[in-house]
Amino acid sequence: DARVTQTPRHKVTEMGQEVTMRCQPILGHNTVFWYRQTMMQGLELLAYFRNRAPLDDSGMPKDRFSAEMPDATLATLKIQPSEPRDSAVYFCASGLVRGNEQFFGPGTRLTVL
Amino acid sequence: AQSVAQPEDQVNVAEGNPLTVKCTYSVSGNPYLFWYVQYPNRGLQFLLKYITGDNLVKGSYGFEAEFNKSQTSFHLKKPSALVSDSALYFCAVRDKGYSTLTFGKGTMLLVSP
Repeated sequence: DARVTQTPRHKVTEMGQEVTMRCQPILGHNTVFWYRQTMMQGLELLAYFRNRAPLDDSGMPKDRFSAEMPDATLATLKIQPSEPRDSAVYFCASGLVRGNEQFFGPGTRLTVL
Repeated sequence: AQSVAQPEDQVNVAEGNPLTVKCTYSVSGNPYLFWYVQYPNRGLQFLLKYITGDNLVKGSYGFEAEFNKSQTSFHLKKPSALVSDSALYFCAVRDKGYSTLTFGKGTMLLVSP
């Protein structure tokens, strides 16, 4: 049963610390998305990769957030330095360019104190 | 630009009764429309999609949705609700010329026994 995996599932850190979230997309999928979910803002798209190339990161605060795909099996989202307002659930999703559905991982719940 | 509106923050229905969760959309071209469900502490799960063809789309867990082009709506329906259907439901749209989905704010469905 192919699924998107994310690590860690939960992360508590202090303001100013670096946070790295990892995502393993479904094997064979060539699009990867990072979303942030909060009660106030709902689900926000942070970044979008196609064939490992970043195509859209307009939703991401550039000064502290960065997203990469070192290889086809790993996507990372980093926050440095982290701030309390970054507390949220971060989801990774993957799909096919010619498909339409996105398949979501279980999320990383981040708490920045 | 593409957008989605889910006008109800919460829908309450008794078990066994029919349910409807509303969604309206705005795109410049032909829409691709989706419904996702999110259970507590889980990622989003794909329920169904409309790309082309019949306006009534059937999906997982007995859900269906009706595409109405004139009203720009894509309401989610189920003939008989179950308590286990209680969850957060998201409508999403993708303009054919876009690569990314735009999600609504979500509607919490509460089914009472």
